[in-house]
Amino acid sequence: NAGVMQNPRHLVRRRGQEARLRCSPMKGHSHVYWYRQLPEEGLKFMVYLQKENIIDESGMPKERFSAEFPKEGPSILRIQQVVRGDSAAYFCASSSLTSGAGSTDTQYFGPGTRLTVL
Amino acid sequence: QKEVEQNSGPLSVPEGAIASLNCTYSDRGSQSFFWYRQYSGKSPELIMSIYSNGDKEDGRFTAQLNKASQYVSLLIRDSQPSDSATYLCAVRYSSASKIIFGSGTRLSIRP
Repeated sequence: NAGVMQNPRHLVRRRGQEARLRCSPMKGHSHVYWYRQLPEEGLKFMVYLQKENIIDESGMPKERFSAEFPKEGPSILRIQQVVRGDSAAYFCASSSLTSGAGSTDTQYFGPGTRLTVL
Repeated sequence: QKEVEQNSGPLSVPEGAIASLNCTYSDRGSQSFFWYRQYSGKSPELIMSIYSNGDKEDGRFTAQLNKASQYVSLLIRDSQPSDSATYLCAVRYSSASKIIFGSGTRLSIRP
């Protein structure tokens, strides 16, 4: 059972370009979360998505950032007109969120995409 | 604003000793609690999840939850150099909400 997949693992962009980060959840998982981690800092929540729905985007910057999780295909985090401050590691996590007795909501993380903006 | 607080460390523990990592959270209604380990340059990996008050043991790891005190801890017995990492405490309010992470505690196991 493959884990959470993210690509690319490393991405270099010049200021003003667009960055597109992809995340494929674990098989059977329909919930995806995106986090940003600056060097020597903790994980900051960005957005929580289910298939075709944004559940919580309270951590997303109001401009330039968007996310989607289509019915088919990976979840995509898109950063338009990147700036140097966008340089960070972006992690995706997925969960199955079963409910009831024995419920589980554990998130499993992908390897991350390290974005460098020149 | 829901918050999760951890001492950033570094916490230095001799090899073979017990390492104790602590975490407090602000939202009394929180339901799910997690400990992740993150090596430098790597992604977080789950160590333990705990949902009920009390202790939960898994090998050398024990998670402790006290909802009345809004406190969750992780004990690592017989600490090994390979345990040196940053440990992230994470809290989820409900099944439909995001997980909030603490900033992490850096643990260093000295030989």
